Amino acid sequence: AQTVTQSQPEMSVQEAETVTLSCTYDTSESNYYLFWYKQPPSRQMILVIRQEAYKQQNATENRFSVNFQKAAKSFSLKISDSQLGDTAMYFCAFMKSSGGNYQLIWGAGTKLIIKP
Amino acid sequence: DVKVTQSSRYLVKRTGEKVFLECVQDMDHENMFWYRQDPGLGLRLIYFSYDVKMKEKGDIPEGYSVSREKKERFSLILESASTNQTSMYLCASSLVVGENSNQPQHFGDGTRLSIL
Repeated sequence: AQTVTQSQPEMSVQEAETVTLSCTYDTSESNYYLFWYKQPPSRQMILVIRQEAYKQQNATENRFSVNFQKAAKSFSLKISDSQLGDTAMYFCAFMKSSGGNYQLIWGAGTKLIIKP
Repeated sequence: DVKVTQSSRYLVKRTGEKVFLECVQDMDHENMFWYRQDPGLGLRLIYFSYDVKMKEKGDIPEGYSVSREKKERFSLILESASTNQTSMYLCASSLVVGENSNQPQHFGDGTRLSIL
């Protein structure tokens, strides 16, 4: 069974610092998709960044980038120049196929606090 | 922008009641999902639907049912509410998968349901 593990329940850093959130997953599939989602306090879950497993180049979205290590089944999220608005729960998710329908398998989440 | 609207942000019901959670999306998405979110467990899929009147069980369907009579609306039903169903419920939608299987899911604001 596919699983997603986020080993850091909570992290806190000072504003403007760089922070890396870890995520590992387990799958026997060769092609799949990985996502990081962000859920600010009392607000909507939104997509931060996505990565296709067949692409070797790491995805980047402004201050957010990933370090995708396919052989190690690792998919970490780096946030550069962190801002107060980055305070949120961050979830790593793996997209699996099930009879032609695609579902997300979610990690337990990392609570990130950016301190002023 | 995609808008996924859940009918209630907060809901309090009593044990044994039949509870309806409603979700509407305005982007003509084929796929719709219901999750429950509990601390330390991430998001767990209850049911999903890839077409009108179609439904598939997720990882934790027991005690729940769903209805999708129209493409834009996906309802979650707690047949006889119990205290262990107290949780945050999230609805999401996405475009049809296949070649575009990396299409992200778009989420509503969530319904915090308390069963007394």
